[in-house]
Amino acid sequence: NAGVTQTPKFQVLKTGQSMTLQCAQDMNHNSMYWYRQDPGMGLRLIYYSASEGTTDKGEVPNGYNVSRLNKREFSLRLESAAPSQTSVYFCASSVWDTYQPQHFGDGTRLSIL
Amino acid sequence: RKEVEQDPGPFNVPEGATVAFNCTYSNSASQSFFWYRQDCRKEPKLLMSVYSSGNEDGRFTAQLNRASQYISLLIRDSKLSDSATYLCVVNGEGSGNTGKLIFGQGTTLQVKP
Repeated sequence: NAGVTQTPKFQVLKTGQSMTLQCAQDMNHNSMYWYRQDPGMGLRLIYYSASEGTTDKGEVPNGYNVSRLNKREFSLRLESAAPSQTSVYFCASSVWDTYQPQHFGDGTRLSIL
Repeated sequence: RKEVEQDPGPFNVPEGATVAFNCTYSNSASQSFFWYRQDCRKEPKLLMSVYSSGNEDGRFTAQLNRASQYISLLIRDSKLSDSATYLCVVNGEGSGNTGKLIFGQGTTLQVKP
């Protein structure tokens, strides 16, 4: 049972470089999410996709773009990486319903120099 | 006021102890509540949902107090393996179906031999 799969697991970038974080889920969930987690800040929602074909901003969307490629895949792109984007990024998926929990991938640790 | 607030701890307890964490939430219309567990540098994992009547899962008991807007987690007979950060999670919008969740910053538990 793969669940939610994120790639890559680790990445080091230089300021100004771009990259895309990939996320795929095999649980037939309709909703997917991207979070970042920083020390002392907890999990903060970057973007989410309630269903295939829709995306919406979360709490901290600046500097990021997303693509819901299909029901399974939801990617996060950093167009011009900045040191402030150094963080651990988690992708999650769920059924879009008030009472359903989210299931997380094991994260991407991103450092921007 | 933060939407979900937790005492960050750390709570240091001996093996076999009973420990309780509380969490307060600001949105009185929130309808779903969860406790997640997060081990160091790992992804959050669902520990248990919290139901209005309270619920138990082995050594873990969750309670919800809607009037005072707080959720609690009680761990009995603590094990070394319970050492982790416990995240209080509440659904993010007050009405309608929504899969958005708000995560507290977490309470750190360290169980000592």
